[in-house]
Amino acid sequence: GQNIDQPTEMTATEGAIVQINCTYQTSGFNGLFWYQQHAGEAPTFLSYNVLDGLEEKGRFSSFLSRSKGYSYLLLKELQMKDSASYLCAVRRYGGSQGNLIFGKGTKLSVKP
Amino acid sequence: GAGVSQSPSNKVTEKGKDVELRCDPISGHTALYWYRQRLGQGLEFLIYFQGNSAPDKSGLPSDRFSAERTGESVSTLTIQRTQQEDSAVYLCASNRGFGGARTDTQYFGPGTRLTVL
Repeated sequence: GQNIDQPTEMTATEGAIVQINCTYQTSGFNGLFWYQQHAGEAPTFLSYNVLDGLEEKGRFSSFLSRSKGYSYLLLKELQMKDSASYLCAVRRYGGSQGNLIFGKGTKLSVKP
Repeated sequence: GAGVSQSPSNKVTEKGKDVELRCDPISGHTALYWYRQRLGQGLEFLIYFQGNSAPDKSGLPSDRFSAERTGESVSTLTIQRTQQEDSAVYLCASNRGFGGARTDTQYFGPGTRLTVL
């Protein structure tokens, strides 16, 4: 079956760096996505990894190790507006061509 | 339109009633997805459309749930004889589907918050 794990909640300080981990167990891995979801709003796309390594995009970076079934999202220079839930999602080959299996999300609180 | 839109934004209904939720995907997006998000939970896949066919209905929780799509546009998710456990935010997403890049992400609508009393 499919299983995606990420911490339920994290707290960090404005200006700091935080790393949100995601581990997954799935067959037919075809990419991992990170989404940001502010309370009461739709998820918005942050990053995509399909090969091992680090993808950097401004203050946000995402890392993938397929052999370990592990990814992390790194947020630098935290701002108050980064307080949100961060969703890890895995896409699989076969079955539905595009559906994503989501983790339960990590609620990040950024404090002054 | 510029983004995925959904209506209504909020729906309160009584147990046992039927509800219809609507999704307008981004123009040109052939793939459309419905998800459910219960309070404090992750997104739960319900159904996926490629054009107006649904190759994957595996996520529909019961036969009270059904969905249709007209061509490559509007989709309607219908829940019959609603139950309190159906209360959730129902999210719709779209992307280019087949023919799109492997990195083609899904773009989400704002969701419909359904409350069953």
